[in-house]
Parts: sequence; structure tokens; C-alpha cells
Amino acid sequence: AQSVTQLDSQVPVFEEAPVELRCNYSSSVSVYLFWYVQYPNQGLQLLLKYLSGSTLVKSINGFEAEFNKSQTSFHLRKPSVHISDTAEYFCAVRQTQGGSEKLVFGKGTKLTVNP
Amino acid sequence: DAMVIQNPRYQVTQFGKPVTLSCSQTLNHNVMYWYQQKSSQAPKLLFHYYDKDFNNEADTPDNFQSRRPNTSFCFLDIRSPGLGDAAMYLCATSRGSGGQETQYFGPGTRLLVL
Repeated sequence: AQSVTQLDSQVPVFEEAPVELRCNYSSSVSVYLFWYVQYPNQGLQLLLKYLSGSTLVKSINGFEAEFNKSQTSFHLRKPSVHISDTAEYFCAVRQTQGGSEKLVFGKGTKLTVNP
Repeated sequence: DAMVIQNPRYQVTQFGKPVTLSCSQTLNHNVMYWYQQKSSQAPKLLFHYYDKDFNNEADTPDNFQSRRPNTSFCFLDIRSPGLGDAAMYLCATSRGSGGQETQYFGPGTRLLVL
């Protein structure tokens, strides 16, 4: 079964600093990978996803993630963060089991951007 | 705006007293999901509906049931809540059930069991 490991439970950074949130997955089949963001008191929202093609995927608010098959990673990066990026970030992988497909989430990384 | 709505946002119930959480969507999506998210843990899929077809996860306790009377609404019933069922319950929808589909989440209902 596929699984996701988010190595950092909390990441504090200063405003305008770069950030990397790490995600590693285990899968023996082709992967679909996702990053979701959860702002305080809100539901999860899709940030970006990798399905196929270019290994570098980008979101509209400056985040990007690179699918690295050899390292089984899908780390999320942003070169300069804002206070408004403070949220919890979840990495997820598609799991296929018994003919059905579902998302398997990591435990999340809380990003806190300080002034 | 099209969206996924969950009511109430906070629910308090007593140990053993049945409780129902509700979810509605204006996206006209075929698939609706219920996740349980405990503090500092990953969201865990309980079950999902593809149209009227119910798909239960193998490790979802029998205490948890669901109903989908129509496309727009889906309910989570907890027949006899225990202290361990206190969690955030997230509803999500997607157009299809393929692995590439984006899931759209509601804000969640936080359940407290006294």
C-alpha cells in the first residue's frame, strides 16, 4: 500500500525567507501526488498536483513542488513566504486498492511565518 | 459560489448518544467522502459514495454509518460515540473517483464527546 511521510511536523520561518516542506512517498506503481493546504478554521484546499509530464508543478501563489522518482520525494518549496502562508500543509498520494482509488494523506506540516 | 458546506461547525454530544453530522454540496459532484482527522494526525478516509454506491473502508468501525439521500447531501451517523471518536470530521467531494480527481473539502465539523 502507498504511504506518505512528512518529515517535519512544524516549520517556523521569517517572512520573505525561503521554505521547503518535505514529503516522501512509498509506491510501487505510477503515482499521483498532491499538496493540500488548510488555513486556520477552514477545509483543505488543493495547492498543486503531479499526475504526469513535467516533474515541476507550480501553484498560482508561488509554491512549487518537484516530483523526484529516484528519491521518492515531492517536496514543496516557496522562495519567499508571506505571513498569509501560515497554514498546515498536507502531502497526499493516490492509493489503488481492490479496484478503488483513494487519497492517503501525510500527517501534515504546520508552517508558521513570523514577521 | 459553488462549495461544500458542513453543519454544524462544532458539535458536542454525550458518550453513547447518537449524533449526525451533515454535508451538502453545490458542485453537483458524483462522489462524496467522509474523513476523520484527529489532532496532529492525517485525515483518514471512513467511506465514500459514488452516486448511490456506498464504499466502506475496511477498518471503519461499525459505529460509523452514512446516508446519501440525494446528490447534494450526505450524512455521517455515529451510533454510539465514544471518547475516542472526538475529532474533526471532514466532508469532501469530487467529480469522479479516478486518482487524478481533485477533492474539494468542506470546513469540517469538530466533534466533542463528553
